[in-house]
Amino acid sequence: QKEVEQNSGPLSVPEGAIASLNCTYSDRGSQSFFWYRQYSGKSPELIMFIYSNGDKEDGRFTAQLNKASQYVSLLIRDSQPSDSATYLCAATATGNQFYFGTGTSLTVIP
Amino acid sequence: GAVVSQHPSWVICKSGTSVKIECRSLDFQATTMFWYRQFPKQSLMLMATSNEGSKATYEQGVEKDKFLINHASLTLSTLTVTSAHPEDSSFYICSARPGTRSSGANVLTFGAGSRLTVL
Repeated sequence: QKEVEQNSGPLSVPEGAIASLNCTYSDRGSQSFFWYRQYSGKSPELIMFIYSNGDKEDGRFTAQLNKASQYVSLLIRDSQPSDSATYLCAATATGNQFYFGTGTSLTVIP
Repeated sequence: GAVVSQHPSWVICKSGTSVKIECRSLDFQATTMFWYRQFPKQSLMLMATSNEGSKATYEQGVEKDKFLINHASLTLSTLTVTSAHPEDSSFYICSARPGTRSSGANVLTFGAGSRLTVL
């Protein structure tokens, strides 16, 4: 069983819609969770991190964490074509090992 | 914010030669750095964890004699691909996290990556 799982997609949404990206993790000891965006041919860049149950908002992005369900999600409001990328979910328990999902490919259609 | 610098961005070499890639944390000390490899349209694959002042920890299937990692200071880790072959052509990415306790202590920052092409 993979430590962190994501639906590989591709996920397509029209411009202006809400994109919803989901991630589950298997290690109940995981404490910190991250969403990275990776454009083709580039390295991942951090969008958000979340430690506590509930929602965390930053601009058009909202991360949601439910530790009981071992579930992390990322909502992108008012999706733009520039949001088209692969989104990576990651989790760590101690900061010494980070487990990445395989990524979800998102396409925002103008 | 934390910045990780990786050099070179692109490198082309002949088969059999060795290539060194540097990863520097510019504004923080990194006791731990991570090296990843990514083939086209595939996910990140962790190669090894680099620990300052000690030997790197390699993931299963990664040849430690082929991928030499040195983490001699708190701001610099290097990956040397020895006797490179065309199958080693890939996108190599390093990442680091601050070693001090803070709200961002566990946040991984990635370098820009190094694209290696072995002819």
